[in-house]
Amino acid sequence: GAGVSQSPSNKVTEKGKDVELRCDPISGHTALYWYRQRLGQGLEFLIYFQGNSAPDKSGLPSDRFSAERTGESVSTLTIQRTQQEDSAVYLCASSPGLPSSYEQYFGPGTRLTVT
Amino acid sequence: GENVEQHPSTLSVQEGDSAVIKCTYSDSASNYFPWYKQELGKRPQLIIDIRSNVGEKKDQRIAVTLNKTAKHFSLHITETQPEDSAVYFCAPRAAGNKLTFGGGTRVLVKP
Repeated sequence: GAGVSQSPSNKVTEKGKDVELRCDPISGHTALYWYRQRLGQGLEFLIYFQGNSAPDKSGLPSDRFSAERTGESVSTLTIQRTQQEDSAVYLCASSPGLPSSYEQYFGPGTRLTVT
Repeated sequence: GENVEQHPSTLSVQEGDSAVIKCTYSDSASNYFPWYKQELGKRPQLIIDIRSNVGEKKDQRIAVTLNKTAKHFSLHITETQPEDSAVYFCAPRAAGNKLTFGGGTRVLVKP
């Protein structure tokens, strides 16, 4: 079946512009996660959605970052007034959200370059 | 929140040798312990996981061992091959469906 998809795959933007990144999770997955991965670095947790519960926003680095999710489907990560330090790969993952399976399935990522 | 550390941060082994990566965590409530592999330029993928009611799990050349008392678990790769070269992340779960990823271990298998 279809895996997690993300768009765009690459985004180059000028400093100060806003960007929107999109994630389409696996159908039926109730949990959705956003991570940031700088070049050669680990996975930095940003935000987590679980069903209709309030999202866990504890990883968002500043108020320039926000994310939304429509029900149990698409999610968008918005970065306002982008800065050069925002340059990274943004990974989305989804999970069935069941005790029987905590496995996270990752999308291919969006490579963001802020010039 | 959960504090997770991996050691070593880089590991270079000769093809055919074994590799071991250790992950320590802080939350005693953690009950699910996965390892993810990320090849260069690709997305992370689950390679093996273990739950807290099991001490060891093996899948062909990879195995995971868990020591809940000491709060650490390890990834073991035997008979390493060049395709094992990648970054490996541990990601214990403490609550809900959230995993806390370690900083990663870069493994290089030299032919």
